[in-house]
Amino acid sequence: DQQVKQNSPSLSVQEGRISILNCDYTNSMFDYFLWYKKYPAEGPTFLISISSIKDKNEDGRFTVFLNKSAKHLSLHIVPSQPGDSAVYFCAASPDAGGTSYGKLTFGQGTILTVHP
Amino acid sequence: KAGVTQTPRYLIKTRGQQVTLSCSPISGHRSVSWYQQTPGQGLQFLFEYFSETQRNKGNFPGRFSGRQFSNSRSEMNVSTLELGDSALYLCASSLLGMKETQYFGPGTRLLVL
Repeated sequence: DQQVKQNSPSLSVQEGRISILNCDYTNSMFDYFLWYKKYPAEGPTFLISISSIKDKNEDGRFTVFLNKSAKHLSLHIVPSQPGDSAVYFCAASPDAGGTSYGKLTFGQGTILTVHP
Repeated sequence: KAGVTQTPRYLIKTRGQQVTLSCSPISGHRSVSWYQQTPGQGLQFLFEYFSETQRNKGNFPGRFSGRQFSNSRSEMNVSTLELGDSALYLCASSLLGMKETQYFGPGTRLLVL
């Protein structure tokens, strides 16, 4: 049962354009969401997060949008740069407490390629 | 501030052996979580430790175990290795292990032959 889904395995974008990566979730208990960027044989690097009390969070070129009613979040990268080429994972966490300690549920990842 | 460190970075073992991986969290972080990454299953949560106690566990067999020391460093052990245990093992640290951001180490690449 895949509770966090990234339906696009890959995305190719031209340098300078916008990259939009999508993520859907099914567990309504999730209320904290994160995006990570990962290079091969390295650990994921935190990019940006959003709590369910917000619908948008911005950090430089990266913006995350959350649509709770649709159980959907997206990561926008503007403008895209060749150095952004990596695998992007979305992750989700439920309310703190109970059995949620430390546990992130990850999507399968989307490979972003930004062409010069 | 130093990041999360993991040792060793690469390891080759044979079936039936056991292995111990180590993780040193960011200074001040008390929660350490472990994840397994494989091409087929993606990133899967193994367990989380806080103040030397396991607080949360994923759906892995009992061959996978861990512990945390008083300085928050953590070790993960896999006994009776199987070919399917070949993966990148990642640990992540956070202050309290709740909803705040987790920071990942570079991982240990384990190959079981």
